[in-house]
Amino acid sequence: GAVVSQHPSWVICKSGTSVKIECRSLDFQATTMFWYRQFPKQSLMLMATSNEGSKATYEQGVEKDKFLINHASLTLSTLTVTSAHPEDSSFYICSAATGTSGTYEQYFGPGTRLTVT
Amino acid sequence: DAKTTQPPSMDCAEGRAANLPCNHSTISGNEYVYWYRQIHSQGPQYIIHGLKNNETNEMASLIITEDRKSSTLILPHATLRDTAVYYCIVIRGANNLFFGTGTRLTVIP
Repeated sequence: GAVVSQHPSWVICKSGTSVKIECRSLDFQATTMFWYRQFPKQSLMLMATSNEGSKATYEQGVEKDKFLINHASLTLSTLTVTSAHPEDSSFYICSAATGTSGTYEQYFGPGTRLTVT
Repeated sequence: DAKTTQPPSMDCAEGRAANLPCNHSTISGNEYVYWYRQIHSQGPQYIIHGLKNNETNEMASLIITEDRKSSTLILPHATLRDTAVYYCIVIRGANNLFFGTGTRLTVIP
C-alpha cells in the first residue's frame, strides 16, 4: 500500500516551453502533497506544500508564478514548470502525506528528471 | 524543527548489521524521529519512525536514547540493495521534512 506515482518519469524540453508533472497517490487519499527538487549530488529541497482545494504554500526563494501547483483532488497534484530554462533542469519529486498530525508518514514518488535544452 | 547530524558516509559488509547514528540534541518533546533512505535516482523511501520508545519493523530497528538526543537506525542484515543515502529527520506533524546531507551507506560484498 501507500504507493505514489509520478508522470512522466523523465522529460526533455526546449527552453521557454512549459512542462507539467503529475503526482498521484494510488491507494490512499493524501491530505497534503509536497513538491521537492534535487540537484545532482545535493539533498532534497522542499519547494511547496499543497492541500487539496487550497493554494499551495511556497518555500522562500521558490517563484510561485514559475512553478504552478494544482491540487485538484485528494489523489492528484500537478506541478507545471512554466517557461523552463536550463537552470530548471533537476530531479523533481513529490510526496503525499497521510495520517494525523505528529505521526504521519510521507510517501514519495519515484521522481521526474527534467532536462531543459 | 530540530536539526540532525549524521556521518557523511559509512561502509558495511554484506550480511552484517549496519548501525547508522544520528544526533538530534535540540529535539523537543513532541518531535518524532523519522528515517528515510534514497537509492540513487529514486524517490526517498520511508523506513521507520519513533517518538521515545524503540521501534522495529520489517525493514529496520530504531533505537532512541533515553534523553532522546540521539538515535541509531539498525539494518540487521545488510544487503547490497541497502546501499543508499539514509536521512534522519526530526519533525512535528505535517510540516516539511528537512533533508540534511544524510549518511551514504555502502554495503560491500
